[in-house]
Amino acid sequence: GAVVSQHPSRVICKSGTSVKIECRSLDFQATTMFWYRQFPKQSLMLMATSNEGSKATYEQGVEKDKFLINHASLTLSTLTVTSAHPEDSSFYICSARAEGGLAPVLEQFFGPGTRLTVL
Amino acid sequence: GQNIDQPTEMTATEGAIVQINCTYQTSGFNGLFWYQQHAGEAPTFLSYNVLDGLEEKGRFSSFLSRSKGYSYLLLKELQMKDSASYLCAVIRDYKLSFGAGTTVTVRA
Repeated sequence: GAVVSQHPSRVICKSGTSVKIECRSLDFQATTMFWYRQFPKQSLMLMATSNEGSKATYEQGVEKDKFLINHASLTLSTLTVTSAHPEDSSFYICSARAEGGLAPVLEQFFGPGTRLTVL
Repeated sequence: GQNIDQPTEMTATEGAIVQINCTYQTSGFNGLFWYQQHAGEAPTFLSYNVLDGLEEKGRFSSFLSRSKGYSYLLLKELQMKDSASYLCAVIRDYKLSFGAGTTVTVRA
């Protein structure tokens, strides 16, 4: 089946530093990837839609200059949290949508998530 | 926008049946998903409904009524490993909007 990986799985950083999270589709091409954030005991909130070769589309309330998204290839999207602060500590999850298929809405596969802790 | 409501917590006994309800109000609708999520892990796909009616898949079934903006996930023959959070999500234009999740605790 389709596999999505994320790296790193956990990261602890100091306030003010930048952190890059990678999301890779391992055995399929993903023209579209999605980045979510999940705070403890809350649901997943869509942050942005990452499109290969074009600018990401951010959801309302998400600062595009703080959460930089790059979708450089059909198998890789990166999320960089710039100048991280303790309130950015969260579980970041990506998903990837595969191309084509009879039911494309079904073909969104989740990565294992990245736990970010900002001290 | 999307407004998706589901109960916060439910507790049931091993071997029993539990029904998790989800109501939604949305400006667009392309289908409804149910996911299972264990603590600290990513969601895993359980079911997808786009038409009204019941979809059965082993011990899990999901029902949708589009006119009522209502869905439920039915878990039968509960096992301890079913203790998890269950997320209802509505999809529109390939974007998923999640409910807050229902934490199900299965007791022996």
